[in-house]
Amino acid sequence: GAVVSQHPSWVICKSGTSVKIECRSLDFQATTMFWYRQFPKQSLMLMATSNEGSKATYEQGVEKDKFLINHASLTLSTLTVTSAHPEDSSFYICSASSGQANYGYTFGSGTRLTVV
Amino acid sequence: SQQGEEDPQALSIQEGENATMNCSYKTSINNLQWYRQNSGRGLVHLILIRSNEREKHSGRLRVTLDTSKKSSSLLITASRAADTASYFCATDVGNAGKSTFGDGTTLTVKP
Repeated sequence: GAVVSQHPSWVICKSGTSVKIECRSLDFQATTMFWYRQFPKQSLMLMATSNEGSKATYEQGVEKDKFLINHASLTLSTLTVTSAHPEDSSFYICSASSGQANYGYTFGSGTRLTVV
Repeated sequence: SQQGEEDPQALSIQEGENATMNCSYKTSINNLQWYRQNSGRGLVHLILIRSNEREKHSGRLRVTLDTSKKSSSLLITASRAADTASYFCATDVGNAGKSTFGDGTTLTVKP
């Protein structure tokens, strides 16, 4: 089945530094990937849609200069949280469509970001 | 606001009992999906039901969809302690390919 690998699974960084999160589709090509953010005990909020070879589409209220998304290949999308602050601490999850009709979207295992 | 709303927010049952979770949404959809999330982990896809389908089964899972009421339900039969997790519905609208998630139901199955 379709597998999406997300790395790292957790990261602690100092305030003001940048953190890069990778999302890879291991056995299928994903022209589109999605990045979500999830606060504790809350639902997933879509941040942006990552399109291979073009600029990401950001949801309203998401700062594109703070959350840089790059989708340079059909199997890799990256999310960089720039100049991180404690309020950026959250669980970040990516997903991709495998294109299989009955399989919805495949999610990565998530990245727990803690900014201290 | 979120497209989907789920109830109950939390559900606690004994092992062997059935668990039913409901999801309501606001606009017309292409399909609706149910996911499970164990604490601190990513989401696992359970079932996708299309807008022209009314019911789907997968093992101990049964999903119904009522587009006239804009609602869906997820039934887990003969629950097990390992079913303890949060369950989310997600809807796909339009051609953007993105899913909008409900608030989730936290299920606790006591052994």
